[in-house]
Amino acid sequence: GESVGLHLPTLSVQEGDNSIINCAYSNSASDYFIWYKQESGKGPQFIIDIRSNMDKRQGQRVTVLLNKTVKHLSLQIAATQPGDSAVYFCAENIGNNNDMRFGAGTRLTVKP
Amino acid sequence: GAGVSQSPSNKVTEKGKDVELRCDPISGHTALYWYRQRLGQGLEFLIYFQGNSAPDKSGLPSDRFSAERTGESVSTLTIQRTQQEDSAVYLCASSRWTGPTQYFGPGTRLTVL
Repeated sequence: GESVGLHLPTLSVQEGDNSIINCAYSNSASDYFIWYKQESGKGPQFIIDIRSNMDKRQGQRVTVLLNKTVKHLSLQIAATQPGDSAVYFCAENIGNNNDMRFGAGTRLTVKP
Repeated sequence: GAGVSQSPSNKVTEKGKDVELRCDPISGHTALYWYRQRLGQGLEFLIYFQGNSAPDKSGLPSDRFSAERTGESVSTLTIQRTQQEDSAVYLCASSRWTGPTQYFGPGTRLTVL
């Protein structure tokens, strides 16, 4: 069936560098996407979302880009900090009932 | 509290025993989700409740797994005759009727010996 997937399972970056985490989705009808951050031993936490009528949305140090043509979603983190080390999940809204499905996740490690 | 809560936080059981996990969603959230997360892996959707509609059980891996929810309140996930492969963190999330953003609880870590 259609699902959300990720290009890379792990990403290691130097503190202060920018991070880019990628996500591919296959459901062309998906109209809403969310990035979540999961720190060790905790549940996922909402970071930023984007609707399909947008191609870019910015938050504090984070930017989400959506390319509907190639069904690709990315999360950019500026000036990555040690506290950004976590697993990042993208999720897509697959229907009209607010049902979200999650990708496999990318583990981000920030080196001091 | 204001967030999603789950209990117990940790559960160790013997193979073949039944376990019951509890989730208290955020008050007023009509949707409730259960996920399974094996060590170092992503979220595996199990079941979804939305208001009084029939739940979406498409993610339940076997008939040993079941979940109930009374109205828009507490939900319990029951695993019968537990197996070692059931060992995982079980996450619960809830969301408002008006939006899909899910708010997660801290999870229950289940270990089946």
